[in-house]
Amino acid sequence: DTGVSQDPRHKITKRGQNVTFRCDPISEHNRLYWYRQTLGQGPEFLTYFQNEAQLEKSRLLSDRFSAERPKGSFSTLEIQRTEQGDSAMYLCASSPPGGIAGSYEQYFGPGTRLTVT
Amino acid sequence: GESVGLHLPTLSVQEGDNSIINCAYSNSASDYFIWYKQESGKGPQFIIDIRSNMDKRQGQRVTVLLNKTVKHLSLQIAATQPGDSAVYFCAEPDTGRRALTFGSGTRLQVQP
Repeated sequence: DTGVSQDPRHKITKRGQNVTFRCDPISEHNRLYWYRQTLGQGPEFLTYFQNEAQLEKSRLLSDRFSAERPKGSFSTLEIQRTEQGDSAMYLCASSPPGGIAGSYEQYFGPGTRLTVT
Repeated sequence: GESVGLHLPTLSVQEGDNSIINCAYSNSASDYFIWYKQESGKGPQFIIDIRSNMDKRQGQRVTVLLNKTVKHLSLQIAATQPGDSAVYFCAEPDTGRRALTFGSGTRLQVQP
């Protein structure tokens, strides 16, 4: 499968614990995005990487959240001191450089569902 | 402000019927839209896109219509099948052309 992969698919943690998620984008895609999706809502943008550089962060990305893409390939999203409000699906997406023929399509992974108890 | 929203949260149709899912947007400068399909437990999957220099674009069993006058677009699915059951989102790039802004989605239920 050459699509976007995410690990783990499900994570249950206790409030106050730290969690880390991994995203492996499509290999030739230099752009990587993290989104958060709560039940019944559309995905909400969290952060964007172009190669290894984190170029944009949403106001949703509080100080407890940090994302990295150290070698411009896979990315990690860490949430420190988790809160119940962090329970959501965390989606990763990737896209090729510059868009293709004006397309802004992003290719999404299956997501990591986080439950904070 | 810029927003993308949907009229109906749930649409129920009979198998074989045509489905129409609507989406309204507020920014008259919006020039590109994408429709995504999201099945339960999966990430959003690209269906079709349209640029503002077009009023209509067709794919396989899907058609997107764009009415810039009333800032409205629709996704039409012909001969709806059980496999079409999912949540459908319209989305558009933000002003920085990086993030996508999604609406809250319409759940399509196909009755056999």
